[in-house]
Amino acid sequence: EAGVAQSPRYKIIEKRQSVAFWCNPISGHATLYWYQQILGQGPKLLIQFQNNGVVDDSQLPKDRFSAERLKGVDSTLKIQPAKLEDSAVYLCASSLVNPGQTSYEQYFGPGTRLTVT
Amino acid sequence: AQRVTQPEKLLSVFKGAPVELKCNYSYSGSPELFWYVQYSRQRLQLLLRHISRESIKGFTADLNKGETSFHLKKPFAQEEDSAMYYCALRAIYNFNKFYFGSGTKLNVKP
Repeated sequence: EAGVAQSPRYKIIEKRQSVAFWCNPISGHATLYWYQQILGQGPKLLIQFQNNGVVDDSQLPKDRFSAERLKGVDSTLKIQPAKLEDSAVYLCASSLVNPGQTSYEQYFGPGTRLTVT
Repeated sequence: AQRVTQPEKLLSVFKGAPVELKCNYSYSGSPELFWYVQYSRQRLQLLLRHISRESIKGFTADLNKGETSFHLKKPFAQEEDSAMYYCALRAIYNFNKFYFGSGTKLNVKP
């Protein structure tokens, strides 16, 4: 099966500019996650979708970050305006299992490396 | 609050030596624990999960609820095991959120 796709792979922007990332999960995967991974740290969950609804966005800086999942498939994550501390790898992951089931393997995309100057 | 701690940023061992990557967690309920691995220039991928109680690529991990630990072990390290390893916790009663540790880089020397 095709894996999780993300684009772009790399992005360099100046602070206060806007940027958007795109994710296409594995076909049929109901759950989609966006993570932020700052250099030297583990992935931090930003937002989790179940189909096209938001399950959790408690760690999403909503004053500048937004995300949507169109028709329960593709998703976009936007930052507006960007700050220097937003420099990180943004990972998208998807999983097949619905809440309440026991197996929760996540499949990760290659990530988008964002550099804010 | 949920937390996953990996105390070692870097672990270097010689080929054939035993390896143990430490993971401790804090969670008030019953967690589900995972180990993820990222080889050079590859995606993050699942290595093993505690509910499966399986051995993958010679690695095993046992959930110790008393010590709140989920250490990853392999009796004889191989050079191809060199990678970043992340311990992760799924908070079953908190929207199934995932919490990752900061990772341990394993370097297996020839």
